[in-house]
Amino acid sequence: GENVEQHPSTLSVQEGDSAVIKCTYSDSASNYFPWYKQELGKGPQLIIDIRSNVGEKKDQRIAVTLNKTAKHFSLHITETQPEDSAVYFCAASPGSGTYKYIFGTGTRLKVLA
Amino acid sequence: KAGVTQTPRYLIKTRGQQVTLSCSPISGHRSVSWYQQTPGQGLQFLFEYFSETQRNKGNFPGRFSGRQFSNSRSEMNVSTLELGDSALYLCASSLKVDTQYFGPGTRLTVL
Repeated sequence: GENVEQHPSTLSVQEGDSAVIKCTYSDSASNYFPWYKQELGKGPQLIIDIRSNVGEKKDQRIAVTLNKTAKHFSLHITETQPEDSAVYFCAASPGSGTYKYIFGTGTRLKVLA
Repeated sequence: KAGVTQTPRYLIKTRGQQVTLSCSPISGHRSVSWYQQTPGQGLQFLFEYFSETQRNKGNFPGRFSGRQFSNSRSEMNVSTLELGDSALYLCASSLKVDTQYFGPGTRLTVL
């Protein structure tokens, strides 16, 4: 069935360093890939997304890359700050009228000051 | 613009009871989806409604049901609660194709 694998499950980095989270999806029909940040006691917050016709997208310190051939996509956070500490989820969706996201298992990011 | 709101934020029920959770989408959004989040299973899709019609359904038993009203507000109902139903229930709304915005969730504890 449809599956999204996410690695690593936990990640600790020093403030100012970069963090990379990787996801692999199984459904070749997936064409929309959002990333969410979830802080304690809150719902997931969309931080960046990418569609299958784009290989890379950047928004300030956050970037996402997509390799459709390998079915891989990654989140890159540069110049990490303590407020980046949270759980990050990747997701894949076939798009085109369906909102059924398949989520990864999450990465707990800790930025050490 | 106000975000997705969910009520109540916290609920405690006992096994065998039923529960109804409410979600108000972002103004103008017509699609509402529901997800269950647990430490063991992560985020799992329950169902999605658009213009009062269920368009997609996840792999959950029939005890889980939902509906959407003409003003796009949605409710989900869980009957005959089990201990394993304890979870954070998240609602998300959408305007454009694909992008979903989540509410803060309802934390359900079943004793």
